[in-house]
Amino acid sequence: EAGVVQSPRYKIIEKKQPVAFWCNPISGHNTLYWYLQNLGQGPELLIRYENEEAVDDSQLPKDRFSAERLKGVDSTLKIQPAELGDSAVYLCASSLGLGGGGHNEQFFGPGTRLTVL
Amino acid sequence: ILNVEQSPQSLHVQEGDSTNFTCSFPSSNFYALHWYRWETAKSPEALFVMTLNGDEKKKGRISATLNTKEGYSYLYIKGSQPEDSATYLCAFIKGVGNQFYFGTGTSLTVIP
Repeated sequence: EAGVVQSPRYKIIEKKQPVAFWCNPISGHNTLYWYLQNLGQGPELLIRYENEEAVDDSQLPKDRFSAERLKGVDSTLKIQPAELGDSAVYLCASSLGLGGGGHNEQFFGPGTRLTVL
Repeated sequence: ILNVEQSPQSLHVQEGDSTNFTCSFPSSNFYALHWYRWETAKSPEALFVMTLNGDEKKKGRISATLNTKEGYSYLYIKGSQPEDSATYLCAFIKGVGNQFYFGTGTSLTVIP
């Protein structure tokens, strides 16, 4: 079974440019997460989807970040415009079940390492 | 801000040594505690999902315990091997399971 797929793996852009990351979760996983991981820190949740609904986006900086999961399967996270401080690893994860899924392990993708110059 | 603390931040051990790390979390509003292993250039991989006070889980040479009343979990590795070198992350899940809070991880290096 294929794991969580993310692309690109690496992205280097100049500040003020837009950037988009794509995630395809494990087939059948209802819940999808986007995390931001800064160097030396643990992953921080940006947004959680249950099927196509964003049920927790309280930590998403909505002035420049947006996300969508239109058909409840794959998802895109966008930053426009990117700032220097956005340089980080962006992780996508998925899990079975709904309603928070705290009892279900998360399956992570390899992440996208973004560098903003 | 909810603090999930892991200690030590990094650890170097000799092959064959046993080791353990700590994850500390708030003792109130506990729902679950996850442990993940994150090897360099790979994806984080779930080790354990722990939900009950007193839980003890084991997978091969790795085991974990949970104390929700005092707010800590220990991860133990018996007879460390070089392939155990990774960052070990814990995640505290609060409330009804809607909010995940990750610690900063413990970076383990096993020296052959």
